[in-house]
Amino acid sequence: QKEVEQNSGPLSVPEGAIASLNCTYSDRGSQSFFWYRQYSGKSPELIMFIYSNGDKEDGRFTAQLNKASQYVSLLIRDSQPSDSATYLCAVKLGRDDKIIFGKGTRLHILP
Amino acid sequence: GAVVSQHPSRVICKSGTSVKIECRSLDFQATTMFWYRQFPKQSLMLMATSNEGSKATYEQGVEKDKFLINHASLTLSTLTVTSAHPEDSSFYICSARVEQGVGNQPQHFGDGTRLSIL
Repeated sequence: QKEVEQNSGPLSVPEGAIASLNCTYSDRGSQSFFWYRQYSGKSPELIMFIYSNGDKEDGRFTAQLNKASQYVSLLIRDSQPSDSATYLCAVKLGRDDKIIFGKGTRLHILP
Repeated sequence: GAVVSQHPSRVICKSGTSVKIECRSLDFQATTMFWYRQFPKQSLMLMATSNEGSKATYEQGVEKDKFLINHASLTLSTLTVTSAHPEDSSFYICSARVEQGVGNQPQHFGDGTRLSIL
């Protein structure tokens, strides 16, 4: 089982709708979870991080964490065309200092 | 805050050339930096963890003699791709982490270096 799994997409969402991105991880000891946005040809940019079960909101973005289900998600409200990018889920493993990235979900916001 | 600068942004060179990439933390100190490689439409793959003042820790399958890492100061790590070949062509990205609360801080990425070996 891969350590961090994401649906590769593309996920197409109409402008103004809510985009929901999902991620599962295998290491039960993981404590820190991150969402990065990566535009084509660019390096990743941190969107949000979450450490505790529940929801964390920042503007149009909400991260949700469920450690029991080993599941983390990112919701983007009022989706804009500029949100079109690949979203990378990253997990800091419980056993060491490394952060492991999923393969990313390509999000396409339809104007 | 937490700005990471990476240079150069793009390199095109002939096979057999050695290429040095610099990664600097501009407004914070980083005892640990990370080097990733990303092939087209693939995820970031961690190559090595760069530790200030000590040897880098390489991931399985990454040749330490091929990818030389030097972390000589708290704000600078360098990656040298020695005798580069076309299969080394990739997008190389470094990251660094603010040291407070070390374990849980997110990594901040440089802009990446696109390496093309002819």
